[in-house]
Amino acid sequence: GQNIDQPTEMTATEGAIVQINCTYQTSGFNGLFWYQQHAGEAPTFLSYNVLDGLEEKGRFSSFLSRSKGYSYLLLKELQMKDSASYLCVIPAGTALIFGKGTTLSVSS
Amino acid sequence: DVKVTQSSRYLVKRTGEKVFLECVQDMDHENMFWYRQDPGLGLRLIYFSYDVKMKEKGDIPEGYSVSREKKERFSLILESASTNQTSMYLCASRTTRLGSYSYEQYFGPGTRLTVT
Repeated sequence: GQNIDQPTEMTATEGAIVQINCTYQTSGFNGLFWYQQHAGEAPTFLSYNVLDGLEEKGRFSSFLSRSKGYSYLLLKELQMKDSASYLCVIPAGTALIFGKGTTLSVSS
Repeated sequence: DVKVTQSSRYLVKRTGEKVFLECVQDMDHENMFWYRQDPGLGLRLIYFSYDVKMKEKGDIPEGYSVSREKKERFSLILESASTNQTSMYLCASRTTRLGSYSYEQYFGPGTRLTVT
């Protein structure tokens, strides 16, 4: 079966760097997504990793280690608008399996 | 840009009512999905559809049914609404055409349903 673990909550201050970790178990690996969800809104795509290593996209980077079943999302130069829930997601057949999300609160 | 729309952002219904939630996507996507999202439980898959007139149960189909008569439209039906179906309902779609992010799903804005 599939299982995803990520911290429930994190806090950080503006301008800081934060790393959100995710560990997963899956029977067949087809990549890993990170989605961002602001309160009351739909999830939006942030990144997709299928190979080991770091993928950088502006202030956001995502890392994957398939052998360790581990990924992280790195957010740099935090802004207030980064306050949101960050979802670690793995494909399972046609569907997606969502982690419960990490709620990040950014304060000034 | 892909656009997924849902018929209502907020809906209030009474226990026992039949409720229809509509979802429309404009990118000719083959697959469509209905999720519900509850605090502490995350997103859970209710039903999905591979293509027109095709449907599959997800993790929590009890109390729900779906309809996909046209490719762009996927409806979620609560046959007899109950208070434990009060939730945020999210529709999503994805293409099966090959591409870097072929598993990526695009979400609608969500419908917050309250059953009283």
